[in-house]
Amino acid sequence: NAGVTQTPKFQVLKTGQSMTLQCAQDMNHNSMYWYRQDPGMGLRLIYYSASEGTTDKGEVPNGYNVSRLNKREFSLRLESAAPSQTSVYFCASSTIATNEKLFFGSGTQLSVL
Amino acid sequence: QQQVKQSPQSLIVQKGGIPIINCAYENTAFDYFPWYQQFPGKGPALLIAIRPDVSEKKEGRFTISFNKSAKQFSLHIMDSQPGDSATYFCAARLTGGGNKLTFGTGTQLKVEL
Repeated sequence: NAGVTQTPKFQVLKTGQSMTLQCAQDMNHNSMYWYRQDPGMGLRLIYYSASEGTTDKGEVPNGYNVSRLNKREFSLRLESAAPSQTSVYFCASSTIATNEKLFFGSGTQLSVL
Repeated sequence: QQQVKQSPQSLIVQKGGIPIINCAYENTAFDYFPWYQQFPGKGPALLIAIRPDVSEKKEGRFTISFNKSAKQFSLHIMDSQPGDSATYFCAARLTGGGNKLTFGTGTQLKVEL
């Protein structure tokens, strides 16, 4: 019962470094999402993928890129990290069978110094 | 621009009390309103949800009250327990917007013995 798995759990970067956050789900879900969570701002959608082979921008996409590698995996890349990208990042997935329910991973805590 | 406004930011109640968390929205194109519960170090998990054609929905000790004309909805937790201590997020989904959710800013609830 893995559900949605995110790696790494913690990461510290220096300004300007790049990294990729990995997300995989084993529930055969069609849709996947990346959210960021910041104090006092709730969860904000960065990018989402309605199905394999498609991606679209969310509310706060600047500074990020995504890849829907296959049905299971959806990665988030920071090409040149900035302190403003210090946040907790959550991946989620859903499918028509579960209708509106989002299944979240346990998050990646990212600090950019 | 916050499309879903949530209050209060934090809340402390005694065991057995009835905490109430409120959310308000402006966009009448929202068609689905879930509440998510998040424990420290974990991702959010769906708690309960309502559609605008229903004024109230109850699941166990959790109740959503929905006022379509006022564009407000609230979460009530009956007979609250220390195990209910968590952060609660309201959310809303746009009609035809896929399964993308707009979240409120969150309410940190503490239930004291």
